[in-house]
Amino acid sequence: GAVVSQHPSWVICKSGTSVKIECRSLDFQATTMFWYRQFPKQSLMLMATSNEGSKATYEQGVEKDKFLINHASLTLSTLTVTSAHPEDSSFYICSARDPDRWTEAFFGQGTRLTVV
Amino acid sequence: GQNIDQPTEMTATEGAIVQINCTYQTSGFNGLFWYQQHAGEAPTFLSYNVLDGLEEKGRFSSFLSRSKGYSYLLLKELQMKDSASYLCAVRDSNYQLIWGAGTKLIIKP
Repeated sequence: GAVVSQHPSWVICKSGTSVKIECRSLDFQATTMFWYRQFPKQSLMLMATSNEGSKATYEQGVEKDKFLINHASLTLSTLTVTSAHPEDSSFYICSARDPDRWTEAFFGQGTRLTVV
Repeated sequence: GQNIDQPTEMTATEGAIVQINCTYQTSGFNGLFWYQQHAGEAPTFLSYNVLDGLEEKGRFSSFLSRSKGYSYLLLKELQMKDSASYLCAVRDSNYQLIWGAGTKLIIKP
């Protein structure tokens, strides 16, 4: 099946610093990628929809200036958590839709972010 | 509003059968997905239903009734490795996935 690679798998950063998470589709071109956040024992919450070559669409309540999303190519989207705070600690997951296999959404491995 | 309901937790015995139900109310419907998620890992795709009826894939089957807004995931011959959370998600009219909170399945020997 299609492969989506997310990096890093985990990261610990100091409060006030920024962290970048990469999401790559390895064997297909993803015009649309999705960024989710998942707190412990909760379901996935969509943060934003990333479209190649255009600005991301953010869900209500998600700060676009804090969670910067860039989708500069058909195989790469990045999420940058700026000025991170402990409450930003969460599991961040990206997914990509293969336009040739639209019945599935393929997920990256997820990134465990801990802000200390 | 949009809503996906599934039980929070279920317990079953190794070798048995378990059915996890999911009911939904969404703005539009473009398919229902079941995902398996082990703790600390990303979800992995299990099944997809867009038409009414039963889809069988090995030990796992998924059923859909669009008129009732209802689906279930059936797991047969349960194995210890099936202990995980099972997420129901519906693709709405905007082709976005609306997620249920997940059902934690505990398998006992």
